[in-house]
Amino acid sequence: AQSVTQLGSHVSVSEGALVLLRCNYSSSVPPYLFWYVQYPNQGLQLLLKYTSAATLVKGINGFEAEFKKSETSFHLTKPSAHMSDAAEYFCAVSDRGNTPLVFGKGTRLSVIA
Amino acid sequence: DAGVTQSPTHLIKTRGQQVTLRCSPKSGHDTVSWYQQALGQGPQFIFQYYEEEERQRGNFPDRFSGHQFPNYSSELNVNALLLGDSALYLCASSLVGQGSNGYTFGSGTRLTVV
Repeated sequence: AQSVTQLGSHVSVSEGALVLLRCNYSSSVPPYLFWYVQYPNQGLQLLLKYTSAATLVKGINGFEAEFKKSETSFHLTKPSAHMSDAAEYFCAVSDRGNTPLVFGKGTRLSVIA
Repeated sequence: DAGVTQSPTHLIKTRGQQVTLRCSPKSGHDTVSWYQQALGQGPQFIFQYYEEEERQRGNFPDRFSGHQFPNYSSELNVNALLLGDSALYLCASSLVGQGSNGYTFGSGTRLTVV
C-alpha cells in the first residue's frame, strides 16, 4: 500500500525567505508524485508532478521539488516566499497504473510580512 | 475550454437525509473520480467511474454510490447522512490511460450535515 507523510502540519516563513515543505512517501513500485495547492474554499491546483523523467521538477509559481529515491522524499521548495503563497499544500502519490491518488494530511503555509 | 464543474457549491442537509452531488468533467475527459476531504485532512478516494461503471472503490460504505452518464458527467449519492459525512467533496476528471497523472480537479461541493 502506498502512503505519504507530510512533516509539519503548519509551517510559517517570513516574506522573502526560503520555503521548504517536506514529504516522504512509501510505495512498493516506482511512484508518481505530486504537489497540490489549495486556497481557502477552493479545490486543488496542481503545482508540479514527478513521473520518472528528470528528478528535479519545476512547477508553477516558482516552486520546485526533487525526487530522491534513496530517501523516499519529494520535498517542495521555493527560494523566496510571497504573501500569495499562503495556502494548504498536499503531497500525493500513485503508482504508474490507473490507481487513485493517496494524499498526505497537508501542510498549512503561513507567510509573515 | 471549461474545466471541471461541480454543483452545488454548498449545501446543508439533516442527518438521515440523502444528497446528490454533480460533476461535469473537463472537455475531452472520460473518467471521473470522487474524493472526500474532511476538515483538516487530505482528500480520500471514494470511487472512480469510466464507461458508466464503477471501476475502483476506496474504503467507503455502501451508503456512498455513484453514477456516470453517457456524456461522462457523474453524480455522487450519499444516503442516510451522518454528521461525519460533512466534508468538501471533490471531483477529478481525467482521460482513460492517464490515470492520476492527468487529473483536473473541480472546486468542490461543501456538504454540511446538521
